[in-house]
Amino acid sequence: EAQVTQNPRYLITVTGKKLTVTCSQNMNHEYMSWYRQDPGLGLRQIYYSMNVEVTDKGDVPEGYKVSRKEKRNFPLILESPSPNQTSLYFCASTRQGGFAYGYTFGSGTRLTVV
Amino acid sequence: EDKVVQSPLSLVVHEGDTVTLNCSYEVTNFRSLLWYKQEKKAPTFLFMLTSSGIEKKSGRLSSILDKKELFSILNITATQTGDSAIYLCAVLYNNNDMRFGAGTRLTVKP
Repeated sequence: EAQVTQNPRYLITVTGKKLTVTCSQNMNHEYMSWYRQDPGLGLRQIYYSMNVEVTDKGDVPEGYKVSRKEKRNFPLILESPSPNQTSLYFCASTRQGGFAYGYTFGSGTRLTVV
Repeated sequence: EDKVVQSPLSLVVHEGDTVTLNCSYEVTNFRSLLWYKQEKKAPTFLFMLTSSGIEKKSGRLSSILDKKELFSILNITATQTGDSAIYLCAVLYNNNDMRFGAGTRLTVKP
């Protein structure tokens, strides 16, 4: 089944403790992206990647890192999480030029930083 | 500043009603506008619109784009409780920039 898999689905952590949210897609998509969703603010892009080893900042990149060493994986790293990073996170992918079909989204990761 | 604004933010209707959701945008180098439906989990793709005046239709849902006035509407006729969701509008612009609106939360009561 074609899908984007995110892990974990839920995570509660403490301020300052490094964490990684994994994202993997099995559709050979070139384009991958991370979003956070907060009430009243919609989905805001954190980082995106056009292809392997090509990443760029979105609208809200502060406090996040990403890497794209392989086409299928696009992990999101929070080096020192803070409570304002408590949010619902989505990974999404599409093929280059494939926006006509929209993104395929992962199931989301609900992160709470205390 | 690039922006996408959806209205209303929240809407409560009864089954059988028709609803119209709005999305206006201001971006540089507009390419296309997309609608998504988000129920409990991840958003799912509904439509992509690129040209003005051409209606996209899927069952009871339809959408149209006005590139002169910079907005799109999403219509849902004969609403059902299963239409309850957050409806998200997103605009693709420049090379591969995508910006989402805040969403409209639709509640359909039996």
